[in-house]
Amino acid sequence: DGGITQSPKYLFRKEGQNVTLSCEQNLNHDAMYWYRQDPGQGLRLIYYSQIVNDFQKGDIAEGYSVSREKKESFPLTVTSAQKNPTAFYLCASSGAGTSGRAQYFGPGTRLLVL
Amino acid sequence: GENVEQHPSTLSVQEGDSAVIKCTYSDSASNYFPWYKQELGKRPQLIIDIRSNVGEKKDQRIAVTLNKTAKHFSLHITETQPEDSAVYFCAAISNYQLIWGAGTKLIIKP
Repeated sequence: DGGITQSPKYLFRKEGQNVTLSCEQNLNHDAMYWYRQDPGQGLRLIYYSQIVNDFQKGDIAEGYSVSREKKESFPLTVTSAQKNPTAFYLCASSGAGTSGRAQYFGPGTRLLVL
Repeated sequence: GENVEQHPSTLSVQEGDSAVIKCTYSDSASNYFPWYKQELGKRPQLIIDIRSNVGEKKDQRIAVTLNKTAKHFSLHITETQPEDSAVYFCAAISNYQLIWGAGTKLIIKP
């Protein structure tokens, strides 16, 4: 998991503002994921990507957008349409394939609304 | 959709005793089951995983067992220590995604 970085560690968003969270990995993993974690809660999948230039919505994609232009990078944009964005955002990556692969997480970004 | 149920939500054990956390899954095609430990404010860390062709796997004080027929798997921690205090999540692979349990908060009493 040391090969996955997220920035910034903390992010403050104003009303009506779009913000972008960065996720980079040097593990040569094909698949990447974004999760949201609210205090005291579990992990909820926002978006995932199995391969470059392709991604799918997870359970709570509304108000979020992603891109996957490079294998190493999977940025998440929290749009103004996401009315309650305060949460801990975790990026993960794994090898692809039909068999399950372990997901390794970045250190996370805490998003707070001003 | 597919789901994973995890019990208990909170588990309090005396230091040195064993702890067991149980999960059931719904997708009979699931073939991979990881367990993660998340300390307060930190990222989830993979602690052990098991594939469906294996019934049990051990790593020092941690073991995982899998019953494919009943569709449940369990995490066993022996000789618990204060550093075992954390939230533990189980998961099962389904259609290229991990389906997560809701988590178990493990408290180790001195």
